[in-house]
Amino acid sequence: DAGVIQSPRHEVTEMGQEVTLRCKPISGHNSLFWYRQTMMRGLELLIYFNNNVPIDDSGMPEDRFSAKMPNASFSTLKIQPSEPRDSAVYFCASSFGTPRRDYEQYFGPGTRLTVT
Amino acid sequence: AQTVTQSQPEMSVQEAETVTLSCTYDTSENNYYLFWYKQPPSRQMILVIRQEAYKQQNATENRFSVNFQKAAKSFSLKISDSQLGDTAMYFCAFYWAAGNKLTFGGGTRVLVKP
Repeated sequence: DAGVIQSPRHEVTEMGQEVTLRCKPISGHNSLFWYRQTMMRGLELLIYFNNNVPIDDSGMPEDRFSAKMPNASFSTLKIQPSEPRDSAVYFCASSFGTPRRDYEQYFGPGTRLTVT
Repeated sequence: AQTVTQSQPEMSVQEAETVTLSCTYDTSENNYYLFWYKQPPSRQMILVIRQEAYKQQNATENRFSVNFQKAAKSFSLKISDSQLGDTAMYFCAFYWAAGNKLTFGGGTRVLVKP
């Protein structure tokens, strides 16, 4: 299995531009998670999907952030417009979720976003 | 809300020695899991070990073992025979089954010295 795939690995953009991060979960997993990692706030859950449906988006910082999962093998996290404080590493993770007992989340390599 | 606390921001250990990382958590839930993740400089998050709260026996994975004290809500990680490749950030994480969410601690940076 290729694991969780994220693209791009690095993104540098100017303030005000739209940014789209992409994720392909592990085949067969039915839960997908988006996290943000910063020095100040550590690892934060932004949103998660179960069977392609957003279940909890309480971690999404503001309306500039949106996430979609049009099918079981693809998800996007979009920031529009981007701001310098959005600079962080964004991780996507997937798992089998309930009702299986193996709840481990497998993480992608992350996307390092820099907004200048 | 569940919280996870790692009180040691940084630890160093000599190669081949043992180091123990502490983690405490707060929850009113009964059905949960605990994990330790490793994040080396490559920034990849790697699952090291897991513990089901309903199991009394402490989990072990090769050189990694945990000391799970449910009543004290403590979940420490012991790395035995430390290797240079163990240098990384280590995150303790709490998984709440009903919520299907992971809550992470702030991390402990481990430096293994030759």
